[in-house]
Amino acid sequence: QLVLTQSPSASASLGASVKLTCTLSSGHSNYAIAWHQQQPEKGPRYLVRLNSDGSHTKGDGIPDRFSGSSSGPERYLTISSLQSEDEADYYCQTWATGIRVFGGGTTLTVL
Amino acid sequence: EVQLVESGGGLVQPGRSLRLSCAASGFIFDDYAMHWVRQAPGKGLEWISGISWNSGSIDYVDSVKGRFTISRDNAKNSLYLQMNSLRAEDTAFYYCARDPSSGELDFWGQGTLVTVSS
Repeated sequence: QLVLTQSPSASASLGASVKLTCTLSSGHSNYAIAWHQQQPEKGPRYLVRLNSDGSHTKGDGIPDRFSGSSSGPERYLTISSLQSEDEADYYCQTWATGIRVFGGGTTLTVL
Repeated sequence: EVQLVESGGGLVQPGRSLRLSCAASGFIFDDYAMHWVRQAPGKGLEWISGISWNSGSIDYVDSVKGRFTISRDNAKNSLYLQMNSLRAEDTAFYYCARDPSSGELDFWGQGTLVTVSS
């Protein structure tokens, strides 16, 4: 079964960097994913598509502070130079024929 | 400017029906698959249905199969979700999202709230 696992919460200080993790279920370690950001009271926003080889494609207007990387079944979103507006929920998303799957989301707190 | 604007949400009694619409603009609508994703209050995102560019492929999550119907009208640049036999657990924000047919949802609307309650 295709499942994405995320830690429920993360925190980092203003101006620092944070690395969020999304783990693909066993047997799916070569799947690509996408990261989405959801700020409070807003709809989700696409950030980046991340392939298993670490190559990635960002959405329009996404700052360079957001980057993605991969290692085995893990997919990472690194946010550098954290700003207050980065405080949000972050969801990873993957897909197979006929389905789209979301991770449970990580709530990022900027201290 | 790319836009997806959902409408049609509201308060509805259990067992009744509701039809959501998503108006697309700023891009070639029939170049994209489209999806509906919902989010119950305080919960995470849940994909519920997707439709290919030409309506040739349609999929649903098990919890809505037989009750919800996704459709699109490429001439009107619009996506729809017909929701029948609504239940309290269908209460959520409903978002439409664009898919360049490579899997990722690369643009989202702002959502419309559906509340199922007596």
